[in-house]
Amino acid sequence: GAGVSQSPSNKVTEKGKDVELRCDPISGHTALYWYRQSLGQGLEFLIYFQGNSAPDKSGLPSDRFSAERTGGSVSTLTIQRTQQEDSAVYLCASSPLGRGGSYEQYFGPGTRLTVT
Amino acid sequence: RKEVEQDPGPFNVPEGATVAFNCTYSNSASQSFFWYRQDCRKEPKLLMSVYSSGNEDGRFTAQLNRASQYISLLIRDSKLSDSATYLCVVRIKAAGNKLTFGGGTRVLVKP
Repeated sequence: GAGVSQSPSNKVTEKGKDVELRCDPISGHTALYWYRQSLGQGLEFLIYFQGNSAPDKSGLPSDRFSAERTGGSVSTLTIQRTQQEDSAVYLCASSPLGRGGSYEQYFGPGTRLTVT
Repeated sequence: RKEVEQDPGPFNVPEGATVAFNCTYSNSASQSFFWYRQDCRKEPKLLMSVYSSGNEDGRFTAQLNRASQYISLLIRDSKLSDSATYLCVVRIKAAGNKLTFGGGTRVLVKP
């Protein structure tokens, strides 16, 4: 079946501009996660949505970052007034969560963001 | 101390050899354990879940040692295509449904 998809695959933007990154999770998965990964570094948790619960925003690095998930499916991560240190790969993952004890996450291919 | 620690490597492995590496976790309340692999400039992909009794998937064997708080991954008959970074992943009960990722162990299989 279809996996997690993300768009765009690459985004180059100028410092100070806003960007929107999109994630389409696997159909039926109740949980959606955003991470970012800088070159050669580990995964950094950003935000997590589960069903209709309030999102866990504990990983967002600043108030320039926000995310929403509409209709329990598609999610958009928005970065306002981008800075060069925002350059990274932004990864989205979804999880069936708890059904039969399944907590594993499935990742999309990521969006490579470059801020010039 | 990091919640999930891994030897970053690289582990240089001759093709056909066996390689094994561990991952330690600090929180004894950890409940679920996984190994992911990540190829260069690609997304992480689930390799296998790790069960309490240990489990095997083809050439890959995962073990969990709750007493010493580590999990291990063993790769037998290494293939060139096994070259990747292997991420140790833990679900900590207090963190709800979030997973905690280790920094990864890089494995290079050479002819």
